[in-house]
Amino acid sequence: GAGVSQSPSNKVTEKGKDVELRCDPISGHTALYWYRQSLGQGLEFLIYFQGNSAPDKSGLPSDRFSAERTGGSVSTLTIQRTQQEDSAVYLCASSLGGQPYGYTFGSGTRLTVV
Amino acid sequence: QQQVKQSPQSLIVQKGGISIINCAYENTAFDYFPWYQQFPGKGPALLIAIRPDVSEKKEGRFTISFNKSAKQFSLHIMDSQPGDSATYFCAAISGNTPLVFGKGTRLSVIA
Repeated sequence: GAGVSQSPSNKVTEKGKDVELRCDPISGHTALYWYRQSLGQGLEFLIYFQGNSAPDKSGLPSDRFSAERTGGSVSTLTIQRTQQEDSAVYLCASSLGGQPYGYTFGSGTRLTVV
Repeated sequence: QQQVKQSPQSLIVQKGGISIINCAYENTAFDYFPWYQQFPGKGPALLIAIRPDVSEKKEGRFTISFNKSAKQFSLHIMDSQPGDSATYFCAAISGNTPLVFGKGTRLSVIA
């Protein structure tokens, strides 16, 4: 597609359950980023994939969070044993590798943990 | 530690007025400073960006002013319109590291 696609757009889950969030980047974009947007907190970096390099996981808030990127394309962010503080909008972006400009964001997945 | 500090948190401007949003940074390695615009229910979209070798960049009604010595940059929206009502984020980047964002400014332009 022409843009970054994220699914689901909304997810309500019970505390303690695991969730998977999906991101389909723009075709040909080698860099993929996950950010978390909480109310009043801006965009918090989570993890970054660049080509075949080891991902930069420095932003992951706890070991309950993990992400993978298969075949250099689709990425899945997994949150295990969800907590209420995990409620936020999770945004995915992609860009041409090595280019700081041209981050294209998806519309995000709004996660609500009840 | 917040690497990019953005102010104000919210801003109300009359239609036709000038909206000004300010950002400050500490990391002198930052070499690219974009601004993103976000409408409700959408992801942020690149609005305008500047490199530290220029002091000003203008695109239509949007202008970035950059003060390298003060480590500050600002977004000016001239002739603000209700359609400009959105959340604006400043950001900074160094090399291939991920973008670092400010906390955002919610702009409301009222008629």
